[in-house]
Order: sequence, then structure tokens, then C-alpha cells
Amino acid sequence: GAVVSQHPSWVICKSGTSVKIECRSLDFQATTMFWYRQFPKQSLMLMATSNEGSKATYEQGVEKDKFLINHASLTLSTLTVTSAHPEDSSFYICSASLDATNEKLFFGSGTQLSVL
Amino acid sequence: QQQVKQSPQSLIVQKGGISIINCAYENTAFDYFPWYQQFPGKGPALLIAIRPDVSEKKEGRFTISFNKSAKQFSLHIMDSQPGDSTTYFCAASQGAQKLVFGQGTRLTINP
Repeated sequence: GAVVSQHPSWVICKSGTSVKIECRSLDFQATTMFWYRQFPKQSLMLMATSNEGSKATYEQGVEKDKFLINHASLTLSTLTVTSAHPEDSSFYICSASLDATNEKLFFGSGTQLSVL
Repeated sequence: QQQVKQSPQSLIVQKGGISIINCAYENTAFDYFPWYQQFPGKGPALLIAIRPDVSEKKEGRFTISFNKSAKQFSLHIMDSQPGDSTTYFCAASQGAQKLVFGQGTRLTINP
């Protein structure tokens, strides 16, 4: 199956710093990439949808100035958590879509962010 | 109307038994219903999925049952094994729109 690589797998940072998470589709071109947030023992909450070359669409309640998403190419999307605070500590997961349906949707392995 | 309600929240099954997880939805426009398996510290992995034109789909030990009139679908894991112990999520979507996830079920298979 298609592979979505997410990096780093975990990161610890100090409060007030920014953290960038990369999501790459290794063997296919992803028209759309999605970013999720997952708190312990909870479900995945969609943060934003990004299409290559255009601005990301953020879900209601997600601060676009805090969670910067860039989808510069068909194989790479990045999520930058700006001025991170302890409440931003969470498991962040990306997914990439191979086509215009959801049947070819593949998830990255996630990034655990801990903000001290 | 965009919610997908999943139950039970946790489930304990004996090895060799059948694990059954249920999901219910409201939006009749949903046309794609996948199940994902997520191990701790990992992203979800697609297990099996169904579209509303069929009532059942089987892949190995995993079966989805779909009841369009009741707006419900369920995952059955036959001959459950300890390696199946993890969290399962149902989801639903309309066309190429975003997936809506259920709340998750933590499955434990006792040896």
C-alpha cells in the first residue's frame, strides 16, 4: 500500500517556541492532505484540509495563525505549531489522499508533541 | 447530523470469540463507511470499508454489516486474537469530503 511518512515521530519543546511537522507521501502524489489532532484515549479531530498550491481550509475553532499549514508540493505538507504552549501537547496525525475519493486515504504514523 | 456514534467504548472478548463494534449515523448522504485500527503511538490503518450499495463485506476475519434503513453499521472480528487488542474507529464520509470519526472502541482480547 501507499506510504505516508510523518516526521518527527515525537518532539519536546519549550513553551513559546515553534515546531514544524512534516508529512510526505512517499510513493504517490497527494492531491489533498489532512491534519488531525488526537488527545489521549480520544478520537481524531480534523484540524484542516490542505490542497497543493492553495490555502488550507481550517475547521471551526482551529486557530489558523497558530497552526500554520503549507502544502507546497504534491508530496509534502507541513504543520507548524507557532508559539507552542502546554495545552498544544497532543498527538498530531496527517493523512494523504491518492485520489478524489476517501477510499485511497493513508495515514502517517503521527507526531507526539510535548510542550514543557 | 455530522456525528457518528460508536459503541461500546470498551470491549473485552475471550480469545477465539467474536468482537462486535457498532456505529450509527444520521447523515443519509454519507456514502463511504470505513473502519480503522489504531495501535498506541501510531496512525490509524484502514481495516475494511463498505459502501451503502451492499449489506455486508468480508475480508478474512473482519466483516462489516451495513443496515441502511437503520443507519447503522458494525464491525465483526471473528476468531478474535490477542493481537487484535487495540483501538478501533468507525468513520463516514460523503463523496470526497472529510471523514467523520466515531469515538473509538478499546478492544481487549483475553488469552
